Amino acid sequence: GESVGLHLPTLSVQEGDNSIINCAYSNSASDYFIWYKQESGKGPQFIIDIRSNMDKRQGQRVTVLLNKTVKHLSLQIAATQPGDSAVYFCASQIFGGGTSYGKLTFGQGTILTVHP
Amino acid sequence: DAGITQSPRHKVTETGTPVTLRCHQTENHRYMYWYRQDPGHGLRLIHYSYGVKDTDKGEVSDGYSVSRSKTEDFLLTLESATSSQTSVYFCAIRRMNTEAFFGQGTRLTVV
Repeated sequence: GESVGLHLPTLSVQEGDNSIINCAYSNSASDYFIWYKQESGKGPQFIIDIRSNMDKRQGQRVTVLLNKTVKHLSLQIAATQPGDSAVYFCASQIFGGGTSYGKLTFGQGTILTVHP
Repeated sequence: DAGITQSPRHKVTETGTPVTLRCHQTENHRYMYWYRQDPGHGLRLIHYSYGVKDTDKGEVSDGYSVSRSKTEDFLLTLESATSSQTSVYFCAIRRMNTEAFFGQGTRLTVV
């Protein structure tokens, strides 16, 4: 079955540094990936997504890189700020028709702590 | 918050009692999901729905049932709550080919 995991459970950085959060997925049929940010007491919030026909996608201060060869994706946060402190989850799914559509599989999460 | 509301936000119940959690959306999204979140396990899918009266099981569906009689509501029922079902429950909604939007969560404690 599908599983998604993170290499590092915690990441501590200084304000202004760049952060990189990694994620591995197991199912090579996965073709859509999402990064979520979750702050304490809140639901996950969408950060950025990428489809398997892309290797890189950029947003505001965030970049997601996808390496399908090794089934790995990463989230890069530029100029990390204290407000970026949260738990970050990657999620993957397999597109397609039928009832399996939309079954997002989540990794365990990485705790990012940004020190002023 | 993307027009999604979970109720109740907090609940304490006794072992063996039935519990129903409600997810309500105002976005008319086709897909709705129930996840549970536990330390060390991330978010795990319980059940999801791909339309009115159309539901399917996720990876941790044992002990849970769902119903979706109209587009806007997706109910999660614990027929006989157990302590292992103490968790934070999240509902999510989604359009086709897009990300999922999550509710604020329901903290359920089974004593």
